[in-house]
Amino acid sequence: QKEVEQNSGPLSVPEGAIASLNCTYSDRVSQSFFWYRQYSGKSPELIMSIYSNGDKEDGRFTAQLNKASQYVSLLIRDSQPSDSATYLCAVKRNGNKLVFGAGTILRVKS
Amino acid sequence: EAGVAQSPRYKIIEKKQPVAFWCNPISGHNTLYWYLQNLGQGPELLIRYENEEAVDDSQLPKDRFSAERLKGVDSTLKIQPAELGDSAVYLCASSSGQNSEKLFFGSGTQLSVL
Repeated sequence: QKEVEQNSGPLSVPEGAIASLNCTYSDRVSQSFFWYRQYSGKSPELIMSIYSNGDKEDGRFTAQLNKASQYVSLLIRDSQPSDSATYLCAVKRNGNKLVFGAGTILRVKS
Repeated sequence: EAGVAQSPRYKIIEKKQPVAFWCNPISGHNTLYWYLQNLGQGPELLIRYENEEAVDDSQLPKDRFSAERLKGVDSTLKIQPAELGDSAVYLCASSSGQNSEKLFFGSGTQLSVL
């Protein structure tokens, strides 16, 4: 079992719709969770972090965390073609080690 | 503020040849990371430095890979000899402290081993 699992996609949504990206993790003691966005041929950039159960909103992005289910999600409202990218879920383990999932490809169609 | 600098951007070598990658982190960032990213996969940590000390090199294949950060600023990652399976993107990242949550990535070096 991989430490951080994501559906590779691609996830296709129409412009203006809500995109829902999901991630599960195996290490129950993990405390910090992140979403990175990676455009094709570019390097990852941090877009959201979440540390406690519940929702965290930042503009069109909402991160959701459920530690009991070991589940993290990212919602993108009013999706735009510029949101088309690979979204990497990352989990911080003990010892400050950041473990990335394989990423989910998101395609927003105009 | 200048970002994380990496060079070269692309490198093509024949198998069994040596190769080196260079990284200069954001000024003032004490923590430096080298990641490897295969196509369709997430970045995988090779080594993490706190200043000049390698604090996590458990995933670095030490038979052929080496890294250094002698003055706690820029860093070099070397592969000798390179194998076909080493073809990947090598990403350098930095953060401002051991507990800093935000990593800043460089543009990476795309290595092709023929």
